[in-house]
Order: sequence, then C-alpha cells, then structure tokens
Amino acid sequence: EVQLVESGGGLVKPGGSLRLSCAASGFTFSNAWMSWVRQAPGKGLEWVGRIKSKTDGGTTDYAAPVKGRFTISRDDSKNTLYLQMNSLKTEDTAVYYCTTGNNDYYYYYMDVWGKGTTVTVSS
Amino acid sequence: DIQMTQSPSSLSASVGDRVTITCRASQSISSYLNWYQQKPGKAPKLLIYAASSLQSGVPSRFSGSGSGTDFTLTISSLQPEDFATYYCQQSYSTPGFGPGTKVDIK
Repeated sequence: EVQLVESGGGLVKPGGSLRLSCAASGFTFSNAWMSWVRQAPGKGLEWVGRIKSKTDGGTTDYAAPVKGRFTISRDDSKNTLYLQMNSLKTEDTAVYYCTTGNNDYYYYYMDVWGKGTTVTVSS
Repeated sequence: DIQMTQSPSSLSASVGDRVTITCRASQSISSYLNWYQQKPGKAPKLLIYAASSLQSGVPSRFSGSGSGTDFTLTISSLQPEDFATYYCQQSYSTPGFGPGTKVDIK
C-alpha cells in the first residue's frame, strides 16, 4: 500500500524553527517528485514547495511566502522527506501535507497524500 | 505568478443535481490544470488531471474540460458523498491552487 506519514508538527514560538518529516512506503521513493502542501485553519490549500528525484536533478522549488525560510530535502536511503522551517511566522500556522504525484514539470499533479501534521506558531 | 480564481465560492445543491464549477487562470496554462476534492478533516483527493483526464477510481459522474484560461469541473448527478470543497490547481508554473468551491446541501 502506498503511504505517506508526516510527523514533527507542534507548537513553536514566532521566529523559531521546526523540522517536519514524511515517511514514505509502498513505492520507489527515490524516483518520486515530492511536495509539501499546507492549509491554514479554515483556509484553502497552499503549495509550499517541491523536490525532484535525484535522477531528475534533485532540484527544489518554493512558493514565494516561504522562499528563503523553508528548505525541502530528502534521504532516499531512509525513504524520508523533510521540511526544515526557520524564522517561523504566525501565518505559517497550518496543517502540512506531504504529497507525491506525477514526475512531470507541466503535467504535475499530486495523487498520494499523507494525513498531515499540524504546526502552530504562537507566542 | 499565475493567479487562479474559482466561481462560485460556494453553492447549495440537491442530490441528483448537475453541478458545474469554473476555474480561471490569469494567463494561458494550456491544459495544465488539475482538480481535487477535499472533505472536512481529510487530505485532498485528486479527481481530474490534465484538465480532462479522470483519475483512476474516480466515478465517471466527474468530468473536466477547458484549456487556455477557462476550465470547468462538472458533476453530472450529485451524490451525498460529493458534498465537499473542490480546488483547481495549475501546473504550468510553480504549482498553485484556486481558492476553492464549497458544495453543500440545499
């Protein structure tokens, strides 16, 4: 069974840091392009960023609100995706979903989602 | 950045109704448009990719159409399990979602 399980969420003060993890199973993680998507309470979906497979360059893309503060990385030996979040702001409060999907820049869709982990940024 | 809009933002419908949701991009995105369904407290689910391709396992009452800047998601006969929020997502540039359309019970 294809599965993504996020962990690492919690309460953090503004300006603080947090690292989320996403454990993948049931598919060849090393070949997958992986994304993080978040959803603030009562709000819509917001794509956070993506990392391509190493065979496709392993490059990352980020949404403007998180660029320079968040870093996506992967450990293919552990089938794990990471989201390092620094300089956190109250507006980063959200459920963070790990996702994977089609390995194509233009026809990029996300067909596997984790259940999400909650990050709360508050003093 | 490409801006995505959806209309309506919410709608009330009855079981059996035909429902159409529109998604518009601020510039042409060819057919690089996907649709998702999300129920409260759950992760989103992919319904349609590449504007009109039905994801495996998704009922055929869901269909998508459009290209360029204007797209539609149609539910041909609304079922009780279809009451949810629907999002479009463009993949022409760095991915971005529309604001969502909530479908609830009339």
